[in-house]
Amino acid sequence: GNSVTQMEGPVTLSEEAFLTINCTYTATGYPSLFWYVQYPGEGLQLLLKATKADDKGSNKGFEATYRKETTSFHLEKGSVQVSDSAVYFCALKDRGSTLGRLYFGRGTQLTVWP
Amino acid sequence: DGGITQSPKYLFRKEGQNVTLSCEQNLNHDAMYWYRQDPGQGLRLIYYSQIVNDFQKGDIAEGYSVSREKKESFPLTVTSAQKNPTAFYLCASSSNRDRVWGTDTQYFGPGTRLTVL
Repeated sequence: GNSVTQMEGPVTLSEEAFLTINCTYTATGYPSLFWYVQYPGEGLQLLLKATKADDKGSNKGFEATYRKETTSFHLEKGSVQVSDSAVYFCALKDRGSTLGRLYFGRGTQLTVWP
Repeated sequence: DGGITQSPKYLFRKEGQNVTLSCEQNLNHDAMYWYRQDPGQGLRLIYYSQIVNDFQKGDIAEGYSVSREKKESFPLTVTSAQKNPTAFYLCASSSNRDRVWGTDTQYFGPGTRLTVL
C-alpha cells in the first residue's frame, strides 16, 4: 500500500540552525512527493513538490530531493527563522491512481527560538 | 481572490446532533476532499469527490456523509453516529487534470474546529 513515515517531533532549534526533517515512503506505484506546512490555527499550504526521481523541490529556502533508491524525501533548510515555526507534513500521491488522493505522514512540529 | 472557504471556523455541537460543515471553492477544481486532523495523527481522508454527483469513501467515512450537487460546494455532515467527532476538519480541492505526472496541487481551506460538548 501507500504510506508515509516522518521523524517524530517536536523539533526545537535556535534561529539560524540547520534543519532536517526525515521522510520515507512506501508506494505501490511511482509517486509524486510533497511537503506541506501548517501554521497555528490554519489550513495546509504547499511548500514544495517533486514528481520524479532525483528532482529537487525548493521554496523559501527549503529543499527536498526525491530519492527513489532510498524511498526518501527529506526536508532541509540551511538557516531557520522564528517564522518557520509550524507543523510540516510529508505526503505522496500515487500517480498510478486516477483518484488523486494524498497520503500524509503524521506531521513534525518545528519550534524555532530566537 | 480564488480560494477555498470553510465555515464556520469554530463549531460546537451537543451529543446526538448532526452538524454540517461548509466548503466552497472558486478555483474551478473538479476534485474535492475532506480530511480530519487529530493531534499527532496527521490527516486522515474522510470522503472525496472527483466530479459533481459522485463521491467515494475515504479511510474513515463511518459517521460522516457528503453531497456534491455543485462543482463549487462539498458539504460534510457529521452525524450522531460518529463516536468521537471533536477534531479539526480540513477541506481541499485540486484540478486533477495532470493525472499522468500527478503534479496537481491540493489547495486547502482554513479549517473548521468542531467540539462536541
